[in-house]
Amino acid sequence: ETGVTQTPRHLVMGMTNKKSLKCEQHLGHNAMYWYKQSAKKPLELMFVYNFKEQTENNSVPSRFSPECPNSSHLFLHLHTLQPEDSALYLCASSLNVQGPANYGYTFGSGTRLTVV
Amino acid sequence: GEDVEQSLFLSVREGDSSVINCTYTDSSSTYLYWYKQEPGAGLQLLTYIFSNMDMKQDQRLTVLLNKKDKHLSLRIADTQTGDSAIYFCAERKNTGFQKLVFGTGTRLLVSP
Repeated sequence: ETGVTQTPRHLVMGMTNKKSLKCEQHLGHNAMYWYKQSAKKPLELMFVYNFKEQTENNSVPSRFSPECPNSSHLFLHLHTLQPEDSALYLCASSLNVQGPANYGYTFGSGTRLTVV
Repeated sequence: GEDVEQSLFLSVREGDSSVINCTYTDSSSTYLYWYKQEPGAGLQLLTYIFSNMDMKQDQRLTVLLNKKDKHLSLRIADTQTGDSAIYFCAERKNTGFQKLVFGTGTRLLVSP
């Protein structure tokens, strides 16, 4: 365990379902991130939160809705997804968005999402 | 280009050296990173290099940076089967707030 916990590890959902991904860290970090990892593509930054405020939305479709109730928890709410949204969704955290370079990001193990 | 570029696959024999290459995009990026992803896991920070350095060595890992060509490489000496994983290059861009931009990852396969 890295200190960033993601649940569930695997999720299969239909295109009409609504589900949520959860990310939790107790590292004392103030910045949290959602990334999408698809095969043969660069890791795509989706959302950034710094001290609970969203600082970046990287042109993500509205069927993905993030929520950050506090600095330790981050959610990604999913509704009416498409099969091409199937991917590994990774959560990461860092001290803050200006954090020291040698700290890097701490990643969770990801949620493997399959949309059927 | 817009993307951090890496080759997708590398296959080596156990005991050989592995060299994973990366081309990044922004000459003003301050830090460059290598992350490792093992099966079923998230990304783990391996090492990083500051942009005013051209080499950094950390045990079996050697990072080389060519700022003029925006080229970064990771050399793993005496590669072991446990090194089989996906290796991601990332640059820290100075765009408002500092964010990491990752490449596609290079899948390293080490055979006995």
